[in-house]
Amino acid sequence: AQSVTQLDSQVPVFEEAPVELRCNYSSSVSVYLFWYVQYPNQGLQLLLKYLSGSTLVKGINGFEAEFNKSQTSFHLRKPSVHISDTAEYFCAVSDMRTGANNLFFGTGTRLTVIP
Amino acid sequence: DGGITQSPKYLFRKEGQNVTLSCEQNLNHDAMYWYRQDPGQGLRLIYYSQIVNDFQKGDIAEGYSVSREKKESFPLTVTSAQKNPTAFYLCASSNRDWNNQPQHFGDGTRLSIL
Repeated sequence: AQSVTQLDSQVPVFEEAPVELRCNYSSSVSVYLFWYVQYPNQGLQLLLKYLSGSTLVKGINGFEAEFNKSQTSFHLRKPSVHISDTAEYFCAVSDMRTGANNLFFGTGTRLTVIP
Repeated sequence: DGGITQSPKYLFRKEGQNVTLSCEQNLNHDAMYWYRQDPGQGLRLIYYSQIVNDFQKGDIAEGYSVSREKKESFPLTVTSAQKNPTAFYLCASSNRDWNNQPQHFGDGTRLSIL
């Protein structure tokens, strides 16, 4: 079975500063990895995904994430955050056998951008 | 535009009452899912359906029921057996035939106890 750990439940950061949201996973098989963003009282929106190929993936809103197989990590980064980036971010994993039918989510990281 | 519509946005339940949350999608997706979201716990899977007239329990199915009579609809009933129903409920869908298709989400229904 897969599991996802987001170690930081809350991350405050000043506007225009860089940010990294950490995600580690455990799985006995090859995985797909995703980052979703959730704004207050809304559903989840896909930020980016790693399926195969280049380990550095770029997503929407200037975010990127790097897949590190040896460290079983998929950290999300942005070089300069905006106020509008304030939201909750979820890392998710599925294995290549069952695909999107079984997504395992982390507990989320609340990013607060301070003016 | 294609998407997932959840209704109502806010719902209140009295003690001993069953309530039904609606989820409709026009993405022509085969699979649909219901998640419960509580603060600090992320998303937990309640039920999912990969095809019409078939569905499976997720991690926290007790106190909930679903039906899948049509491809585009997957309503969730929160029964009186669910003793702690206050939460944010999210519906999602995905294309079963493409394993790397991530799930698309609706905007959720917030359920509270009166």
